[in-house]
Amino acid sequence: DAGITQSPRHKVTETGTPVTLRCHQTENHRYMYWYRQDPGHGLRLIHYSYGVKDTDKGEVSDGYSVSRSKTEDFLLTLESATSSQTSVYFCAISFQGTEQYFGPGTRLTVT
Amino acid sequence: AQTVTQSQPEMSVQEAETVTLSCTYDTSESDYYLFWYKQPPSRQMILVIRQEAYKQQNATENRFSVNFQKAAKSFSLKISDSQLGDAAMYFCAYREPSEGGSEKLVFGKGTKLTVNP
Repeated sequence: DAGITQSPRHKVTETGTPVTLRCHQTENHRYMYWYRQDPGHGLRLIHYSYGVKDTDKGEVSDGYSVSRSKTEDFLLTLESATSSQTSVYFCAISFQGTEQYFGPGTRLTVT
Repeated sequence: AQTVTQSQPEMSVQEAETVTLSCTYDTSESDYYLFWYKQPPSRQMILVIRQEAYKQQNATENRFSVNFQKAAKSFSLKISDSQLGDAAMYFCAYREPSEGGSEKLVFGKGTKLTVNP
């Protein structure tokens, strides 16, 4: 295991509520990523971080924000959840120049 | 923008036989990385194999090997002696080299592999 945990693993929430997903790593890797996985789309990058307080947008960033105040934690926030954000969310980490390792995923359902 | 195409949404193979999963990609870069990830029903994303574009030799990992055709922008995965545990979604992914910046992966939509006993 690459030492990546995600919490919660499952969540059901209502439309319009804020939601925060947490990714925690014990590997001291510089790079962290948030992806979403939807049927027929593979994995798509939401946001990524290349260091503490250094983040940037990915392909599908609308409606999401992130924060990284410590090397080990990368938070993904849905400010006001919508049904289109129902998905499986994966966190990944990498050391520069290497492959990415993924967390176990969080299944989020927005009703 | 780079794109990755997996043209086979589903494939099936008999146990102990060989199967090849296809992947093509579009890029103007000469140096990059390609990956195959496996996602079993447990949902965990598992790295299967990695190929650096500057290496002419095809990567191999036990029963898994790739056929990397740089000019054709093709990166297929061959699974030999298929086992029931190989049943999973397989994703092809592309990454540009980074110089201290992002190391974003671009994924294909995946191929679902069924292994028949």
